[in-house]
Amino acid sequence: DAGVTQSPTHLIKTRGQHVTLRCSPISGHKSVSWYQQVLGQGPQFIFQYYEKEERGRGNFPDRFSARQFPNYSSELNVNALLLGDSALYLCASSRQGPGANVLTFGAGSRLTVL
Amino acid sequence: AQRVTQPEKLLSVFKGAPVELKCNYSYSGSPELFWYVQYSRQRLQLLLRHISRESIKGFTADLNKGETSFHLKKPFAQEEDSAMYYCALSSMNRDDKIIFGKGTRLHILP
Repeated sequence: DAGVTQSPTHLIKTRGQHVTLRCSPISGHKSVSWYQQVLGQGPQFIFQYYEKEERGRGNFPDRFSARQFPNYSSELNVNALLLGDSALYLCASSRQGPGANVLTFGAGSRLTVL
Repeated sequence: AQRVTQPEKLLSVFKGAPVELKCNYSYSGSPELFWYVQYSRQRLQLLLRHISRESIKGFTADLNKGETSFHLKKPFAQEEDSAMYYCALSSMNRDDKIIFGKGTRLHILP
């Protein structure tokens, strides 16, 4: 198993644009969580999906949205990008349901907004 | 509200000396606590969780509900322990998210 895979690894956008980040969980994992990590800070929770349903949402504006597909992969979408959205976006999967707690992280997608 | 506080941004310790990384939390229910670690150029990964009560790479952490703390300890630091350490909190409720502290960079001096 390749572990949790994320794409793209790096991308550069300009303010106002839209971005889609993708995540494939470990085989057998049904829960996917998204985190934003700004330089010098810990990961900030954005979304959690389990069995294709949203099970948790962090304190992020409605410009952030996500979904989970039947194969348990997930997309994070951010609209109307702001400079402050520049960050490393981490995806993590876990075997059990929400809050089951042992997260396996991907390498992240580094987004730069100019 | 859930909150995890790691008061030290950077901790420098000599090789062979004891290590203690501090973590305090705020949570009204029954918490589950974790330590995650990120070594240079590697992914964030689980180090240990309090319900396992195990020692990983010589590290241990005890949940102190009275002091709402979950400090990470190791009696003798090794150079390979240099990394970024994050304390994390969830509830025992299977529907709850996991939140992270801001992290402490541990630097082991030779």
